Amino acid sequence: AQKVTQAQTEISVVEKEDVTLDCVYETRDTTYYLFWYKQPPSGELVFLIRRNSFDEQNEISGRYSWNFQKSTSSFNFTITASQVVDSAVYFCALNTGTASKLTFGTGTRLQVTL
Amino acid sequence: EAGVTQSPTHLIKTRGQQATLRCSPISGHTSVYWYQQALGLGLQFLLWYDEGEERNRGNFPPRFSGRQFPNYSSELNVNALELEDSALYLCASSLRNYPGRISYYGYTFGSGTRLTVV
Repeated sequence: AQKVTQAQTEISVVEKEDVTLDCVYETRDTTYYLFWYKQPPSGELVFLIRRNSFDEQNEISGRYSWNFQKSTSSFNFTITASQVVDSAVYFCALNTGTASKLTFGTGTRLQVTL
Repeated sequence: EAGVTQSPTHLIKTRGQQATLRCSPISGHTSVYWYQQALGLGLQFLLWYDEGEERNRGNFPPRFSGRQFPNYSSELNVNALELEDSALYLCASSLRNYPGRISYYGYTFGSGTRLTVV
């Protein structure tokens, strides 16, 4: 069975602080994809990143960076110099391909204040 | 390019009624997925359609059903509505995925239909 755990239910930071959102996954498959999505108040899930299980390189995109470590089954997401517009619920998700469905974590609500 | 569009945006129904939700995928996408986001339950996979066929189904009762049309748009029908069916229903589309094969393609989500059952 697949499982995604986002232990942080809610995080509050002041603008310009760095913040890391944790994601731990479980799967017995050797081939899988991991995703991060952002859900603003409008409800739409906005795709942020996809990473396959064979690529452990960390990735940076502007203020966003991702740290994928298979040894600890973690795929953490860091926002550098957070901004108020980053306030949203962030979901980590896992796809192992056999059923072509995404297994989501419970999400982390990030609140960035001035 | 138009994204995934869902209609209606909001829907209010009475317990016992039927609800029909609609989804239009991105042009060229043949796979459509439905997810339920209920308060306190997170995002739960409902259904996957590709090429007009139901490919996979989540752990939901049979009163949740749907179909995919030749133009790849999709409908989700919920019969005999219960209060706990109140949720945001999200549709996603992707290029074709195959059962049993790793899903390489990403998923693009719509803004959802908020269903309220009173």
